[in-house]
Amino acid sequence: EDQVTQSPEALRLQEGESSSLNCSYTVSGLRGLFWYRQDPGKGPEFLFTLYSAGEEKEKERLKATLTKKESFLHITAPKPEDSATYLCAVQATTDSWGKFQFGAGTQVVVTP
Amino acid sequence: EAGVVQSPRYKIIEKKQPVAFWCNPISGHNTLYWYRQNLGQGPELLIRYENEEAVDDSQLPKDRFSAERLKGVDSTLKIQPAELGDSAVYLCASSLRLGNTEAFFGQGTRLTVV
Repeated sequence: EDQVTQSPEALRLQEGESSSLNCSYTVSGLRGLFWYRQDPGKGPEFLFTLYSAGEEKEKERLKATLTKKESFLHITAPKPEDSATYLCAVQATTDSWGKFQFGAGTQVVVTP
Repeated sequence: EAGVVQSPRYKIIEKKQPVAFWCNPISGHNTLYWYRQNLGQGPELLIRYENEEAVDDSQLPKDRFSAERLKGVDSTLKIQPAELGDSAVYLCASSLRLGNTEAFFGQGTRLTVV
């Protein structure tokens, strides 16, 4: 069965303190890995899609990387507005209908 | 471009009562998803539509949940009767097509069953 595990569950950072979030996955074949940001009381907001090992995507202070077993979301010099829950999701090649399997998320709090 | 619109934003009902959620996807998006998200968890898929066809409803508790997507645009998710354990956020999402394209989510409906 496909599984997505995110760590840590929660992360508290000082403004400017860089860190990384981990998303490890078990799928028989990866079609795509997706990162989302979710603010309290809102729906997930799309950030990145990664398709193959070695791929990297960047957006402002966020950088996502992908290996054959896991993905990292690096937050460089975070600001308080980066506080949110970050979700990763995978799509497996064995699922012809493109199902998104989500992890439980990492809650990030950035303090001034 | 308008995003995915859901209503209502919040709903409080007594157990055993019926409830319905409505979703209007992004224009031109053929694929529509309903997810349920419990506190501290990631979203869990309930049902997926490609146009008006439900292509995967294996996670939908069919004894009390039903969904429809008439004319392949708007969708409604219904619960009848609601149970205490149904309290959660119900999220609707849409994407251009099934496969590896990203999905865009609405704000969700927070359901509280008392």
